[in-house]
Amino acid sequence: QKEVEQDPGPLSVPEGAIVSLNCTYSNSAFQYFMWYRQYSRKGPELLMYTYSSGNKEDGRFTAQVDKSSKYISLFIRDSQPSDSATYLCAMNVNNNDMRFGAGTRLTVKP
Amino acid sequence: GAVVSQHPSRVICKSGTSVKIECRSLDFQATTMFWYRQFPKQSLMLMATSNEGSKATYEQGVEKDKFLINHASLTLSTLTVTSAHPEDSSFYICSARDGWNTEAFFGQGTRLTVV
Repeated sequence: QKEVEQDPGPLSVPEGAIVSLNCTYSNSAFQYFMWYRQYSRKGPELLMYTYSSGNKEDGRFTAQVDKSSKYISLFIRDSQPSDSATYLCAMNVNNNDMRFGAGTRLTVKP
Repeated sequence: GAVVSQHPSRVICKSGTSVKIECRSLDFQATTMFWYRQFPKQSLMLMATSNEGSKATYEQGVEKDKFLINHASLTLSTLTVTSAHPEDSSFYICSARDGWNTEAFFGQGTRLTVV
């Protein structure tokens, strides 16, 4: 079993839809949770950074962490074609190790 | 957010030659830098972790003599792919953070093609 599981998709939605991206994990020691957006042939860009359980909102993006279920989510409201990218979840414990999900490829169609 | 600059963005080299990739933190001191490799349609695979002034810690299966990492200052780390072969062709990405438990920022990535 991988430490971090993420459905690679692809996921295709119409413009304006609400997008839900998810990751599950097995290591209960993970404390820091991140979502990155990666456009084709570019480095990942940090979108959201959360610590422990709870919700965090930033514009059209909302990150949720449920440590009891070992489940994290990223919601994108009013999705735009420019949101089309691969979204990677990442998490780490109180050290250098960061573990990534496989990434979900999202396409938002105009 | 903080800016990490990676150079070059693309490089083509002949088999058997060495290639150096630079990773710079432009507006913060990167006490720790990470080097990743990414194959098409796959996630990032950590190759090594380097702390400024110390030897890099390599992940299992990564040849330290082939992938030389130097982190000589708080703003610069380099990855040198020595005696490159076509199977080394990949997308290499660095990331940096300025201390424990802070988010990591990524460079733009370097696409290496060995012919």
